[in-house]
Amino acid sequence: AQTVTQSQPEMSVQEAETVTLSCTYDTSESDYYLFWYKQPPSRQMILVIRQEAYKQQNATENRFSVNFQKAAKSFSLKISDSQLGDAAMYFCAYRSAYAGGTSYGKLTFGQGTILTVHP
Amino acid sequence: EAQVTQNPRYLITVTGKKLTVTCSQNMNHEYMSWYRQDPGLGLRQIYYSMNVEVTDKGDVPEGYKVSRKEKRNFPLILESPSPNQTSLYFCASSLTPFPRYEQYFGPGTRLTVT
Repeated sequence: AQTVTQSQPEMSVQEAETVTLSCTYDTSESDYYLFWYKQPPSRQMILVIRQEAYKQQNATENRFSVNFQKAAKSFSLKISDSQLGDAAMYFCAYRSAYAGGTSYGKLTFGQGTILTVHP
Repeated sequence: EAQVTQNPRYLITVTGKKLTVTCSQNMNHEYMSWYRQDPGLGLRQIYYSMNVEVTDKGDVPEGYKVSRKEKRNFPLILESPSPNQTSLYFCASSLTPFPRYEQYFGPGTRLTVT
């Protein structure tokens, strides 16, 4: 079974600064996707960024980028030029691409990191 | 508008009183899933469905039932709720289980069992 670990329960950053959220995962599979979701106080789950394991290039979406280290099973999220609206709970998640597995389709989530942005 | 809807958004009930949380999607998605969110544990899958009449247990299925009689609907049933089922519940759907297809989440249902 796959596991996802977020070791930082809380992080804080000054507005306009850069912050990195950490995530590690464990899997024996070679084909999978990794995701970062944002959950603001409204509780809505919002997809921030995704990374396909077979792609060596790190994904980027505007101010959000990832550092994907497949061998180390690490998947961190960097938020540049932090804004007040970035304050939220962030979840790292794993999803298998192996159709024969019992976890096919399931998102496996980490524990979450609460990000506070100070003005 | 493409969306996943859940009802109710908030529910307070008492131990043992059967309840159903509805979930509906308008995107013709095959794959649907229920998750519960608890502090320090993230979200965990309760049940999932690959298509109509095809459902299976996720990681924490005890105390829950589901059905998938129509493609768009995937209700979560708590036959005899207990306080340990107090949680935030999310329904989600994607076109297929393949991870290239984004999983869309409903707005969540906050359930309190006293």
